Parts: sequence; C-alpha cells; structure tokens
Amino acid sequence: QSVLTQPPSVSGAPGQRVTISCTGSSSNIGATYDVHWYQQLPGTAPKLLIYDNNNRPSGVPDRFSGSKSGTSASLAITGLQAEDEADYYCQSYDSSLSGSVFGGGTKLTVL
Amino acid sequence: QLQLQESGPGLVKPSETLSLTCTVSRGSLSSSNYFWGWIRQPPGKGLEWIGTIYYSGSTYYNPSLKSRVTIPVDTSKNQFSLKLSSVTAADTAVYYCARGYSYGYPRWFDPWGQGTLVTVSS
Repeated sequence: QSVLTQPPSVSGAPGQRVTISCTGSSSNIGATYDVHWYQQLPGTAPKLLIYDNNNRPSGVPDRFSGSKSGTSASLAITGLQAEDEADYYCQSYDSSLSGSVFGGGTKLTVL
Repeated sequence: QLQLQESGPGLVKPSETLSLTCTVSRGSLSSSNYFWGWIRQPPGKGLEWIGTIYYSGSTYYNPSLKSRVTIPVDTSKNQFSLKLSSVTAADTAVYYCARGYSYGYPRWFDPWGQGTLVTVSS
C-alpha cells in the first residue's frame, strides 16, 4: 500500500490528452510539500519528468505538465505518442515518515 | 554530467546482509544542496524509498526498514553504500541509487543509477 495513491492504469489514443492523478494526505501533499513525477520506460531506471509540481527539466517536451491542488496532484500528457507508453510515478515528502514517498505507479498504454 | 553506478552481489541468502555500493562519477558527494538515496523496486511493483544520507552524515531511513538498514559513506572513494540485514525473499528487488535535491526539505531524485537486481534465495 503506497502512501500516495495513483490509478493503476490509464490509456489514450495517439494525439489525445491523458491525466494521471496522485492523491496524498495532510502529512505530504496537503502539507504543501511539492510533488515530482518520473517516467519509467520498460527495463530502465526512472527518469525525472516534472519537479516541484510543474517544472520540466531540460529536454522534457512541453507536452508534459504538472499541477497540484490541496492533497492531490496531476500529470497531464498532451499529444500522446507511442513513445510515451511507460510507467509514471509521483513522489513527495512526508513529514510523519521524515522521508520520501512514492505513488504506486500508473501504466500508460497508448492505444 | 553526474553518473551513479550500483555494484554488489546479485544473489543473497536469506537471513544474510545485502550490501551494495553506489559509485558517483563526474561529481562530488560533498555538496550542501544534495543528498544521496537508495530506492528499490520489487519485480513488477512500484518504487519504495529505502533511505537517505546527507553530506553532513545525517541519515534518514524508511520506518518500515529502519531496524535493518544502514547507509555508510566513503567520501575518499566518492561512494555510498546500502547494508540491509536479515534479508528475506520480500527484499528481492531492483535497487537504485540516486542523487536527491534538497531545499528546505528533501525534494526530487535526479539522476538515478541504472539499478541492480538483487535476488534473495538459498
């Protein structure tokens, strides 16, 4: 059971927009700790996709965006491409655990 | 560009201690804005934070693993390690080391090592 809750799977057709939610609690996202997102392609290490809720590292396409409100955060992917098929994880800090926490991951399927 | 590489045995017997080393290249462990962490991923499952060490030597561990985990650092070799004692099959996972960015509190992990699979089996 992950501290942050994500849907197990989402899907969309090429060109469409999908969103992935990440729900936390008052000791992590709700406590104003920032949310970060990672993309994990099959057989590879996670790669930072979004940091501090809505910032993209250099090289990440602007098709990827993040937002946060209350105890939840979302990752949006527009103009879906086949290469976006991967697992996506949210991550934040939890004050009650004094450490980092991850969501359970969401598998994105491009139809 | 900073790189991290995990190394260590791929097979550990139950009840023994899992020991992994992360070698940092093209960068230094001694930086006040960063921390160094271990994250694991059981086969087919999600990511789990194991623990973190700061340049000051301060360590923080996942409460669920705290009694079995230590993260020592060797700045002379630019390495930090993971030691997980009394392992069981539930500790079978891909283990990643990563650099974390800290500003006020621990934030994101970037970059990550490629990961190393450790199987616990007799």
